[in-house]
Amino acid sequence: QKEVEQDPGPLSVPEGAIVSLNCTYSNSAFQYFMWYRQYSRKGPELLMYTYSSGNKEDGRFTAQVDKSSKYISLFIRDSQPSDSATYLCAILKSGGSNYKLTFGKGTLLTVNP
Amino acid sequence: GAGVSQSPSNKVTEKGKDVELRCDPISGHTALYWYRQSLGQGLEFLIYFQGNSAPDKSGLPSDRFSAERTGGSVSTLTIQRTQQEDSAVYLCASSSRGGGGRGQPQHFGDGTRLSIL
Repeated sequence: QKEVEQDPGPLSVPEGAIVSLNCTYSNSAFQYFMWYRQYSRKGPELLMYTYSSGNKEDGRFTAQVDKSSKYISLFIRDSQPSDSATYLCAILKSGGSNYKLTFGKGTLLTVNP
Repeated sequence: GAGVSQSPSNKVTEKGKDVELRCDPISGHTALYWYRQSLGQGLEFLIYFQGNSAPDKSGLPSDRFSAERTGGSVSTLTIQRTQQEDSAVYLCASSSRGGGGRGQPQHFGDGTRLSIL
């Protein structure tokens, strides 16, 4: 079992839709949770960063962490064509080696105008 | 610029040649990381620098791969005797100090796209 699982999609939605992206993880030592957005031929760009269970909101983006289920989600409200990109979840352990990001394989999202 | 800078952005070379990839981190960031992104494997950790030291080289795939960092700033990833399986995007990231703990996210450059013929 991989440490982080992410449905690769692709996911295609109409403009204005609510998008839900998800990852599951297997190691309870994971304590820090991130979502990166990656446009084609660009590096990953940090969108959201959280270290506790619950919700964190930033504009149209909401990150949700459920440590009891080892499940993390990113919601995008009022999706725009400019949101079309690959979304990567990334997780860090606490304690030793708490610098080594473990990534999901990414979900390719297309928002159609 | 303010972000992580990598060069070259693209590199095509013949099998068996050596290549050097460069990373210029965000000014003042003491921690620097190299990752590799390939189609089948996703993003994989290669090596971590804190200052000029590399406490974790565990992700380097073979002894053909090496990296150094000088002056606590620029880092170079070297691949000797390249093989076709080395074809990938090599990404560099930096953070204000080691660890991904609160307030210290990793910021990525746009990568070097390496193709081995």
